[in-house]
Amino acid sequence: KAGVTQTPRYLIKTRGQQVTLSCSPISGHRSVSWYQQTPGQGLQFLFEYFSETQRNKGNFPGRFSGRQFSNSRSEMNVSTLELGDSALYLCASGVRGLDGYTFGSGTRLTVV
Amino acid sequence: DAKTTQPNSMESNEEEPVHLPCNHSTISGTDYIHWYRQLPSQGPEYVIHGLTSNVNNRMASLAIAEDRKSSTLILHRATLRDAAVYYCILAGSGGSNYKLTFGKGTLLTVNP
Repeated sequence: KAGVTQTPRYLIKTRGQQVTLSCSPISGHRSVSWYQQTPGQGLQFLFEYFSETQRNKGNFPGRFSGRQFSNSRSEMNVSTLELGDSALYLCASGVRGLDGYTFGSGTRLTVV
Repeated sequence: DAKTTQPNSMESNEEEPVHLPCNHSTISGTDYIHWYRQLPSQGPEYVIHGLTSNVNNRMASLAIAEDRKSSTLILHRATLRDAAVYYCILAGSGGSNYKLTFGKGTLLTVNP
């Protein structure tokens, strides 16, 4: 079966711009989570969506937002980009959290 | 979030068993113990999870102490492809089910 697909794989943006990342979960998975990974902070939880509703949110500023569509696909948006937003952004999908989540390969965002 | 403590790094030889420990002395009764691993340049990969009883799957075994304050991930025969960072994570019930709080994990090196 197809895995979790994240697009684009790589992205370079300028400070102050905004960016939208996309995640297509495994078919049938309605829970989608987003994580940020940096060398300094490791893997940090951003937010989780289930049935188009945000169910959990991590400690990130309001510049980070997301949404989930009726087909469970999810997008993450970061506005007013800062250099510190450079990171690997990972999306994970699951049936309902108690079972394992399947992660995508991530989108590598570089802010210059 | 309940915390876990893992050794920073461990080393093993190929085809030998590996026991990766995790301490979670503040675990609550409804916390599940999850293990994920992350190979270089990839997103995390689900390995196994359990609540109270020992668990086995095709990838590994999970041994949970009777008081649940510690657990051990067992790779029965390490291969070079098992070299990765291994994360032990507690995922609770209710609203926190779907949020994985990653620590720094254990970097496993497998020697040929």
